[in-house]
Amino acid sequence: AQTVTQSQPEMSVQEAETVTLSCTYDTSESDYYLFWYKQPPSRQMILVIRQEAYKQQNATENRFSVNFQKAAKSFSLKISDSQLGDAAMYFCAYRSPNFGNEKLTFGTGTRLTIIP
Amino acid sequence: SAVISQKPSRDICQRGTSLTIQCQVDSQVTMMFWYRQQPGQSLTLIATANQGSEATYESGFVIDKFPISRPNLTFSTLTVSNMSPEDSSIYLCSAKTGTLNTEAFFGQGTRLTVV
Repeated sequence: AQTVTQSQPEMSVQEAETVTLSCTYDTSESDYYLFWYKQPPSRQMILVIRQEAYKQQNATENRFSVNFQKAAKSFSLKISDSQLGDAAMYFCAYRSPNFGNEKLTFGTGTRLTIIP
Repeated sequence: SAVISQKPSRDICQRGTSLTIQCQVDSQVTMMFWYRQQPGQSLTLIATANQGSEATYESGFVIDKFPISRPNLTFSTLTVSNMSPEDSSIYLCSAKTGTLNTEAFFGQGTRLTVV
C-alpha cells in the first residue's frame, strides 16, 4: 500500500517571502500521480498543483511549483511571494495510475500561516 | 471542473441516531468517493460509490455503519448509522470523470458533531 508522509505539521512564512512544504511517499508503482491540495477554513479542498510521475519536468502553476525527485520519492511544494490568502492546510496526495483504483492517499497535512 | 453541492454543511446529532449526507454534482461523473476527516487529521477514504451497484469499502469501514447509495451519475448519499461521539468528523464527497488524466474535485464537506 502507498503511504504519504508530511513531516512538517506547521509552517509559517512572512508575507511576500518563499516557503517550501515537504512531502515524501512510498510506492512500488513506477507510474502515478502526485497532488498538492489546499484546505482553507471553509473546508473546501482545492487542487493547487499536480505532477505525473513519468514527466521529468517539475510542474508549475503561477506562484506554486514543485520539486519532484522520483528516485528519492520526494514531492515538495514551493510557494513564492506568499500572500495572506495562502494561509491554509496543505495536503500532499498520491494516486495510482490504474483505472478504477483512483482513490487519493493523503498525507497528514501542513498548516501554513502567513505573517503580515 | 464540476461543482459539488453537499448537504447539510453541518449538523449536531444525538448518539444512536443516523444522518444522511447528500452529494450532488452539476454534471455526470464516473467516480464518486466519500472521505472522512477526523478532527485535526488527514482525509481517509471510506468508500467508492459505484453507480448501480454496491459501494466498494476500504479496510475498517463497513456497509452497516456507512451505507452508501448512488442511484445515478450525479448523485450519492452517505449515511452515518448508529452514531457515537467517535463519528464526529468532516465528511467530504469527491468526484472525477473516468479519464485518468483528470483531477478529483471536492464538495465543501459536512461537519458532523455527535453528542
